[in-house]
Amino acid sequence: GAVVSQHPSRVICKSGTSVKIECRSLDFQATTMFWYRQFPKKSLMLMATSNEGSKATYEQGVEKDKFLINHASLTLSTLTVTSAHPEDSSFYICSAYPGQGIYGYTFGSGTRLTVV
Amino acid sequence: GNSVTQMEGPVTLSEEAFLTINCTYTATGYPSLFWYVQYPGEGLQLLLKATKADDKGSNKGFEATYRKETTSFHLEKGSVQVSDSAVYFCALSDLGNTPLVFGKGTRLSVIA
Repeated sequence: GAVVSQHPSRVICKSGTSVKIECRSLDFQATTMFWYRQFPKKSLMLMATSNEGSKATYEQGVEKDKFLINHASLTLSTLTVTSAHPEDSSFYICSAYPGQGIYGYTFGSGTRLTVV
Repeated sequence: GNSVTQMEGPVTLSEEAFLTINCTYTATGYPSLFWYVQYPGEGLQLLLKATKADDKGSNKGFEATYRKETTSFHLEKGSVQVSDSAVYFCALSDLGNTPLVFGKGTRLSVIA
C-alpha cells in the first residue's frame, strides 16, 4: 500500500518552455505532498509543501512563480517548472504523507529534468 | 531546529563485509526515525523505521536501533551484497504532516 506514482520519469525540454511533473497517490488520499529537488550526489532539498485545496508553502529561496505547485485533489499534486533554464536541470522527487504515518512517507520514483 | 548528521561517504566494502553507517540527530521532541535507500536513477524507498526509543527497525538484513540516550540511529548489516550498492539517507520526522529532515546521504559501493 501507499504507492506514489510520479511521471514523467525523464524529460528533456528547451530553454524557455514549461514542464509539468505529476505526482499521484494511487491507493490512499494524500492531504499533504512534498516536493524535493536533488542535485547530483547531494541530499534532497525541500522545495515546498503542498496541501490539498490551499496554496503551497515554499521554502526560503525557492521561487514560487517559477515552480508552480497545484494540489487540486487528494490524489494529485503537480509541479510546473515555468520558463525553464539549464540551471533548473535536476532530479525532482515528490513525497506523500498518507495522513496516519502507517507507512511512513512514500516517495515517487523521481523525474530527471534536462533543460537544453 | 531539527537536523540529521550522517557519516560522509563514499563507503566501499567487499561483499560479505559488515556495514555500519552512523546517524545522529537533533530534535526538540520525540521524532520518528527512518532510513531510506536510493538506487541509481530512482526515487527513495523506505528501508526501515523506528518510532520510539529502543525500537529496532529491520528489513532485508539491515537494522537500526533508536537510541535516545545517544540520539543515534546507526544502520547496520552483517553481510553486504553487491546489490546493496546505493545511497542511504537517514531522516527524521517529529510530527505527522511535516516534511522529513534528511541527512546528506552516504553512498555505499560493494565490490565482489
